[in-house]
Amino acid sequence: SQQGEEDPQALSIQEGENATMNCSYKTSINNLQWYRQNSGRGLVHLILIRSNEREKHSGRLRVTLDTSKKSSSLLITASRAADTASYFCVPQRGAGSYQLTFGKGTKLSVIP
Amino acid sequence: ETGVTQTPRHLVMGMTNKKSLKCEQHLGHNAMYWYKQSAKKPLELMFVYSLEERVENNSVPSRFSPECPNSSHLFLHLHTLQPEDSALYLCASSQGAGGGETQYFGPGTRLLVL
Repeated sequence: SQQGEEDPQALSIQEGENATMNCSYKTSINNLQWYRQNSGRGLVHLILIRSNEREKHSGRLRVTLDTSKKSSSLLITASRAADTASYFCVPQRGAGSYQLTFGKGTKLSVIP
Repeated sequence: ETGVTQTPRHLVMGMTNKKSLKCEQHLGHNAMYWYKQSAKKPLELMFVYSLEERVENNSVPSRFSPECPNSSHLFLHLHTLQPEDSALYLCASSQGAGGGETQYFGPGTRLLVL
């Protein structure tokens, strides 16, 4: 399995603003997943984007994937204080790679 | 709620104690996982079970002993732990263990070893 590298390591924004987090990885993938972890709700799966997809939406979340650049981004629009959490990208090679390898994540703080 | 529950949520134990962590998933999944999350370190996979058989053991010390009696339940038996074993222990499940699966995590058990 491989680890994604999130950037920036920390991000602080005002409530209502948009937050963008980036992820880079090294080898070819089958899909890439984003997870969120905060103290109240634990580690939660947010969205999965497959290698043949370029963009995916889920509520206020928008994920893009550029396999040629081996990168992904997560955009949270109209942020809320409850979005304060650490966000992790997890690249997956597919069959046989059931292990999720988490990096250090991006720590997002949304200030009310 | 993710459909994965863990008990207890917090546990304090001495180095000579024996305790067990319990995980239960209500999602009808076939694969279950134990992860360890230490302070300021990335999540580490410990064990993977698929259809009640262990398919992965990531060089975990024998003082951690997993048990999967059925596809809905997973235990982690602890004995003679060390203070450095203090961490958040997360359980997860997925539909299968074939790879590329979304994993659903429980809230974790925060363990403190004195």
